[in-house]
Amino acid sequence: SQELEQSPQSLIVQEGKNLTINCTSSKTLYGLYWYKQKYGEGLIFLMMLQKGGEEKSHEKITAKLDEKKQQSSLHITASQPSHAGIYLCGAKTDSWGKFQFGAGTQVVVTP
Amino acid sequence: DTEVTQTPKHLVMGMTNKKSLKCEQHMGHRAMYWYKQKAKKPPELMFVYSYEKLSINESVPSRFSPECPNSSLLNLHLHALQPEDSALYLCASSQVGGNIGYTFGSGTRLTVV
Repeated sequence: SQELEQSPQSLIVQEGKNLTINCTSSKTLYGLYWYKQKYGEGLIFLMMLQKGGEEKSHEKITAKLDEKKQQSSLHITASQPSHAGIYLCGAKTDSWGKFQFGAGTQVVVTP
Repeated sequence: DTEVTQTPKHLVMGMTNKKSLKCEQHMGHRAMYWYKQKAKKPPELMFVYSYEKLSINESVPSRFSPECPNSSLLNLHLHALQPEDSALYLCASSQVGGNIGYTFGSGTRLTVV
């Protein structure tokens, strides 16, 4: 069963505009990860959040985890063509370490 | 070394062939994983090894046979596959429990003909 709900499914944004992707779980997350994937390629690790209320930034990408550790958002500021790809959230939904992914969000950046 | 290396990058095999996928990491991670990813779908967990022992098998058909010969290597042996097994196979590693982070390889693109 899909325990991580990711939205939107796809996103078309004009270059220079901001975008936000959300990832929601019905269970407390033991660690929330954001990855980027180009079609047919491996996963590129972006960020990991563990603590409620945590926020991390890298270059123009910011990820937040809510206080209840059930929802995370990924925000890209002033999008560029290099930001195009599929963004996946992933998380452990039990302390044992079993890791699952959201369905992914396809981001297209137009000129 | 902070990478997970997968070989080969591409593989085409017939339904009667036997082949193996290889995954290697030198980060001292003692948990290693195999995932299968179909087009436009997220990766799906297949197997988890912790301390070189199989700890999770997500009801994967026996035509897929994992092996972890040492703490740095993870293999996936393939035999009598079906065309629907064509997919991107991803290997990952982490500390046991995954509290620090999962590192993924670039994957092997498998085509079964």
